[in-house]
Amino acid sequence: QAQLVESGGGVVHPGRSLRLSCAASGFSFSSHAMHWVRHAPGRGLEWLAAVSYDGSNTHSADSVRGRFAISRDNSNNTVYLQMSSLKTEDSAVYYCVRDFAVLVKDWSFDLWGRGTLVTVSS
Amino acid sequence: QSALTQPASISGSPGQSITISCTGTTSDVGGYKYVSWYQQYPGKAPKLIIYEVSNRPSGVSYRFSGSKSGNTASLTISGLQTEDEADYYCSSYSNTDTLLIFGGGTKLTVL
Repeated sequence: QAQLVESGGGVVHPGRSLRLSCAASGFSFSSHAMHWVRHAPGRGLEWLAAVSYDGSNTHSADSVRGRFAISRDNSNNTVYLQMSSLKTEDSAVYYCVRDFAVLVKDWSFDLWGRGTLVTVSS
Repeated sequence: QSALTQPASISGSPGQSITISCTGTTSDVGGYKYVSWYQQYPGKAPKLIIYEVSNRPSGVSYRFSGSKSGNTASLTISGLQTEDEADYYCSSYSNTDTLLIFGGGTKLTVL
């Protein structure tokens, strides 16, 4: 059964860094682009970043560009989100998600993890 | 990049049909086929219910259908059931610096 399991969330002070991990299993991880999406309390969903199936291309949202970086390790079926210079407004549940298409991006997300909570607070 | 525009809330009675709109621009909804819809229950991860404007993933009820006209995409739920009460989000690829934008979400209440 295909699944994604995020880890690495927690409470962190403003200005600090945090790395989220997402372990994939049950599907051909190296065939799918992967993304990170967050959901802040009382707010809607926000797409953060994408990495191509082979890790050669990455993209990030304006709101986090320069602070967040996505990467993947296909040998370990893991995708990462490195977050730096964290702000209180980055507090949210962070989801790792699979792109629906194989080898290309369809920009639809058919597999979601359960999410990991990041709280940025002094 | 602003979020796509969705009504904040909508309601319907069991058995009825409702339609949720999602309005963007020619840079996103109007310009590309990559419009998706998600259903989210409180405290749960979203679930993909429509991709590429009008396609249903395997296992999603036929009661959910999607369409697009110009810069507005729509999700129609027919034969409303109490289990359909959830939040619904649209998303679209965008040719701006932020490549994927979501709508603000619509809370569906089944009375």
